[in-house]
Amino acid sequence: GAGVSQSPSNKVTEKGKDVELRCDPISGHTALYWYRQSLGQGLEFLIYFQGNSAPDKSGLPSDRFSAERTGGSVSTLTIQRTQQEDSAVYLCASSLAGGQGSEYGYTFGSGTRLTVV
Amino acid sequence: GNSVTQMEGPVTLSEEAFLTINCTYTATGYPSLFWYVQYPGEGLQLLLKATKADDKGSNKGFEATYRKETTSFHLEKGSVQVSDSAVYFCARSGGSNYKLTFGKGTLLTVNP
Repeated sequence: GAGVSQSPSNKVTEKGKDVELRCDPISGHTALYWYRQSLGQGLEFLIYFQGNSAPDKSGLPSDRFSAERTGGSVSTLTIQRTQQEDSAVYLCASSLAGGQGSEYGYTFGSGTRLTVV
Repeated sequence: GNSVTQMEGPVTLSEEAFLTINCTYTATGYPSLFWYVQYPGEGLQLLLKATKADDKGSNKGFEATYRKETTSFHLEKGSVQVSDSAVYFCARSGGSNYKLTFGKGTLLTVNP
């Protein structure tokens, strides 16, 4: 597509429920990233996918968080048993190539605002 | 580890004022440096970048110079407009080059 698409744009969920956030990257971008943006905390790296390589999950804050990327394209970030501290904007980005992707810069989606009540 | 420190906001300026937003980074490896901008209700957009020392990135009247000696990448604009009101993020690439580390962001408000 023309840009990185994320859905839903807003999600309100009850504490303890599971949520799935979706990211559709730019066609042809092999690298995909998830970041979390919390008020006053900047952007926190969560996970990185590059082609068929094993993802870098080093930023996932707990085992309640997981992500997958099917067919090298669409990615889903899943948060199980949500907690109030999970409330944040979840941003997805893609780039042409992981190894040099940061030289090109990322293209970000508009994010999913998650509110856990 | 890698980190980026940028001046805390909020910054409030009048239209046509000079803007500087300071950014420093940890001097590990040979990072690329970036400024991203986030307009209200939108995702982050790449504003400018520099990939090696002494490079100057520029876009939309904004400039930043990669200063290795001071590990800085300060964002400047000579005359801001109301439409520049946004949150600005400084970022650096990581040792493996794919992961970006961001500063906490600086909210800029420009009043007419």
